[in-house]
Amino acid sequence: QKEVEQNSGPLSVPEGAIASLNCTYSDRGSQSFFWYRQYSGKSPELIMSIYSNGDKEDGRFTAQLNKASQYVSLLIRDSQPSDSATYLCAVKTSYDKVIFGPGTSLSVIP
Amino acid sequence: ETGVTQTPRHLVMGMTNKKSLKCEQHLGHNAMYWYKQSAKKPLELMFVYNFKEQTENNSVPSRFSPECPNSSHLFLHLHTLQPEDSALYLCASSQNTGGAYEQYFGPGTRLTVT
Repeated sequence: QKEVEQNSGPLSVPEGAIASLNCTYSDRGSQSFFWYRQYSGKSPELIMSIYSNGDKEDGRFTAQLNKASQYVSLLIRDSQPSDSATYLCAVKTSYDKVIFGPGTSLSVIP
Repeated sequence: ETGVTQTPRHLVMGMTNKKSLKCEQHLGHNAMYWYKQSAKKPLELMFVYNFKEQTENNSVPSRFSPECPNSSHLFLHLHTLQPEDSALYLCASSQNTGGAYEQYFGPGTRLTVT
């Protein structure tokens, strides 16, 4: 089992819709979770971090964490074409390593 | 701008060349990282430095040699590379390697080995 898994996509949503990106992880003791956005040819950019179960909102972005299910998600409301990018989930494990998932490619269709 | 700079942004080198990548962070962080990102592959962590000391080397071939003279600067010395080493090399920094561990990335160096 891979340590951090994401659907590779591409995920296509129409402009204005909600995009839902999912990530699962294998280390039950993981405590810190991060979402990065990476535009083609650019470096990853930190969007959000989440540490506690529940939801964390920042503008159009909401991160959701469920440690019992070992699941973290990112919701993007009112999706815009400029949100088209690859979204990377990263998990800090109980053995103090940050593991990145393979990323999900999101395409927002005007 | 994230406060992490990398030079050069693009590099083409032959297999017998020696070159160095440079990273500098202006965030006051104590930890710095080198990652490799190949096409259609996840980010691969190469090296970690915390307070100038190397804390991780993820079985990276010896043709890659890191150097961290202080907490603000990180180098990756390259020699006798192979074509499969062509990739985007990313530098990142964080406050330290413990705690929340939010990492901030530089723009990367696109390396092509011919």
